Parts: sequence; C-alpha cells; structure tokens
Amino acid sequence: AQKVTQAQTEISVVEKEDVTLDCVYETRDTTYYLFWYKQPPSGELVFLIRRNSFDEQNEISGRYSWNFQKSTSSFNFTITASQVVDSAVYFCALSEAFTGNQFYFGTGTSLTVIP
Amino acid sequence: DADVTQTPRNRITKTGKRIMLECSQTKGHDRMYWYRQDPGLGLRLIYYSFDVKDINKGEISDGYSVSRQAQAKFSLSLESAIPNQTALYFCATSDVSYNEQFFGPGTRLTVL
Repeated sequence: AQKVTQAQTEISVVEKEDVTLDCVYETRDTTYYLFWYKQPPSGELVFLIRRNSFDEQNEISGRYSWNFQKSTSSFNFTITASQVVDSAVYFCALSEAFTGNQFYFGTGTSLTVIP
Repeated sequence: DADVTQTPRNRITKTGKRIMLECSQTKGHDRMYWYRQDPGLGLRLIYYSFDVKDINKGEISDGYSVSRQAQAKFSLSLESAIPNQTALYFCATSDVSYNEQFFGPGTRLTVL
C-alpha cells in the first residue's frame, strides 16, 4: 500500500490564484516526520519543510503554508498568490521511526502556473 | 561548490554493460542514499548507508549494488544494465535519519 498519496497528478492555475496540494499519509508509527520538496524544471530537489508528528501547528513561510492534521493523516501545502516560478513538481514524503526513518515519497504533483 | 555532487550527470549505455554512478558529499553527513525517479512513480529508495560499514537494501535493490568507499563517497553500480533501468538517479545525504535529506543534482541514465 502506498504510504504517501498525492492524488493530484497535475494542477494548473492562473498566476495570483491560490492553490493547495494535497498529501495523505499512512503510518502505524507514533513518531514520524513529514516533508515537502520542490522539483523545478531544472530537476534538482529542494527541501521546503519538515514537520514531526508531535507538532500539529500550522506553518507559514511567505506565500507558502502547511496544514498538518493528524486526525485525517494529511499534510497539505498551500501556495498563496501563485507565481510562474512556483511551477514545479512537488513531493510529499514520510519518514517513520519504525522503519529506520527511510523516506517514502509520494508520486508528486505537477503544478503549472499560467501567466 | 555543491555540497552533494554526482557523476556523470548524463549517461547513455547499452544493455548488458556495467555502469557505476558516483556520489560525493562535503556536508560531513554519515547517512547516504540512492533513489531512482521514474515519471508518475516519484522517488524510490534503492540502497542506503548509515555509515561506512552499514549498507541496507531499499525498496527496489534488485539489479543494483553499492559501495561506500568513505564517509563522503557512495557509489551505485548496475552490473548488467537493462532498458527498464532507464531513469533519473539521485543521491542524497542526511545527518540523522529524521532530518531532511539533501539531494545531488541527479544522473540521467538511458539504457538502450
């Protein structure tokens, strides 16, 4: 079974629109970590955020915000006032203490921001 | 200079050839990882190493082998390449397992 599900394969928005990327995870562990990475067209993987399972506080960083809800096993990512430079593939990942903290990546969401 | 480097960046080879992909890091991290990325499948873990003497198989290790020559170097080998090993390969490092991983620029491998 997929440990991390990113159901949205591709999303297109017009510049300045807000967009939310969904991430649903599955774990039996009580100690785990969630991550978001960005892969722009140039191909590198850029770390965006890490959240541990004991901290459900939402986080905001500029136009980016993350909503972590253990009750629904979700860790969603919102970009406010999207820009063309936000066009990329975004990956959500899970790391569980139970499995030695291996990373399990979702299949990614490809975001296109149209000018 | 980049903290995590991979060589080569691009490689085209033929079925049956032996290929080695190399990864070097200057971050001083103990943990190193090899992933492959395929369209629609995300990143999947091939092998990982927590230190020079510790090598572990990941989700898709069949057809691959690794060598941890030093703390800073972790190589991935395809003993006899096959076309379905065509993919983008990433090396990554971390200081501890639950912290973020830092990725190299990737190696695009094509097996004809």
